[in-house]
Amino acid sequence: QVTLKESGPALVKPTQTLTLTCSLFGFSVSTDLMRVNWIRQPPGKALEWLARIDWDDDKFYSTSLKTRLTISKDTSKNQVVLTMTNMDPVDTATYYCARSAYGGNSGFDPWGQGTLVTVSS
Amino acid sequence: QSALTQPASVSGSPGQSITISCTGTSSDIGGYNYVSWYQQYPGKAPKLIIFDVSHRPSGASNRFSGSKSGNTASLTISGLQAEDEADYYCSSYRSTSTPYVFGTGTKVTVL
Repeated sequence: QVTLKESGPALVKPTQTLTLTCSLFGFSVSTDLMRVNWIRQPPGKALEWLARIDWDDDKFYSTSLKTRLTISKDTSKNQVVLTMTNMDPVDTATYYCARSAYGGNSGFDPWGQGTLVTVSS
Repeated sequence: QSALTQPASVSGSPGQSITISCTGTSSDIGGYNYVSWYQQYPGKAPKLIIFDVSHRPSGASNRFSGSKSGNTASLTISGLQAEDEADYYCSSYRSTSTPYVFGTGTKVTVL
């Protein structure tokens, strides 16, 4: 069964760096055509795509957040890591990781359960 | 990066059909057949219900159907049921430096 699970701090202070980990189960991030994405959702608001990393280590970022984001993978742990620098209260959101469906641009499936990150001093 | 435009809310009675629109541009919906739709219950992660405009993944109800015309995609829910009350989001691949964009979201209410 293919599942993903996010982990990371529930609370970070403004200006700090956030590090989130997505653990993958039932598939390997290094398998051909595997792609893993990070997506976030502020409370009561819409989804926002953040970043993607591919099996061959290609990386893609949201233009508006590109300078603050870094996505990477640890194949030995079968994990994908997202770091976001200079956190601000507007970054308060539930952060999800999700696999690219059908190996391409066909959407995201499945999703992890999400992890809520609150930015506050 | 502008989001795709969806109506804030749509409602219908049990058994009826409703349609949710998702409007983009020629750089996303109009240019590619990579529109997907998601159902999200409160406090839960989104679930893929339509991919590639009109295809249903395994396990998705056949009461969900998708289509596209020009720069607008649509999700139709037929035979509306109480369990369909949720938020729905569209998404599309986009030929800009940000490869994916989501819609503004639609709350479906079953009367």
